[in-house]
Amino acid sequence: EAGVVQSPRYKIIEKKQPVAFWCNPISGHNTLYWYLQNLGQGPELLIRYENEEAVDDSQLPKDRFSAERLKGVDSTLKIQPAELGDSAVYLCASSLPGSEQFFGPGTRLTVL
Amino acid sequence: AQSVAQPEDQVNVAEGNPLTVKCTYSVSGNPYLFWYVQYPNRGLQFLLKYITGDNLVKGSYGFEAEFNKSQTSFHLKKPSALVSDSALYFCAVRSINDYKLSFGAGTTVTVRA
Repeated sequence: EAGVVQSPRYKIIEKKQPVAFWCNPISGHNTLYWYLQNLGQGPELLIRYENEEAVDDSQLPKDRFSAERLKGVDSTLKIQPAELGDSAVYLCASSLPGSEQFFGPGTRLTVL
Repeated sequence: AQSVAQPEDQVNVAEGNPLTVKCTYSVSGNPYLFWYVQYPNRGLQFLLKYITGDNLVKGSYGFEAEFNKSQTSFHLKKPSALVSDSALYFCAVRSINDYKLSFGAGTTVTVRA
């Protein structure tokens, strides 16, 4: 069974540029999560989807971050414009309702 | 609010020796507890979970964890560590009523040959 797929794995951009990350969850997993992981820290939830609906986006900085999950499968997380402090690893995870989360390999973003 | 504390930033053990990674938690109500492992440039990999039942939980790669409600702890253990167990380990908690998972800061395990 394929795991959570994320792309790109690495992204380097200049500040003020836009950037987008893509996630394909495990087949059948209706719940999808985006996390931010700073160096030396545990992941922090940005947004959680149940199918197409964003049911928890309280931690998403909505002035520059946006996300979508059209058709309830793949998801895209966007930052526009990126700031230096956005440099981090962005993790996508998926799960069955109430079950453990399975994580993708992450996208390492470097903002110059 | 829920939280996880991993009091040790680093744990160093010799191969073949027992390994323990400590975790304490705070949550309203009954907890769901998890351990994940992260290898360099990889995502988090699920090791084991405690939901209910037996306090000793067995997981992947010979790891186990013991839930202690009175001490609000969920320490990860392995009887005989391998060099390949060297990685970053995260403990996480959520309440049974909330999907939000809170992670500790992680513990770096180094197993020397």
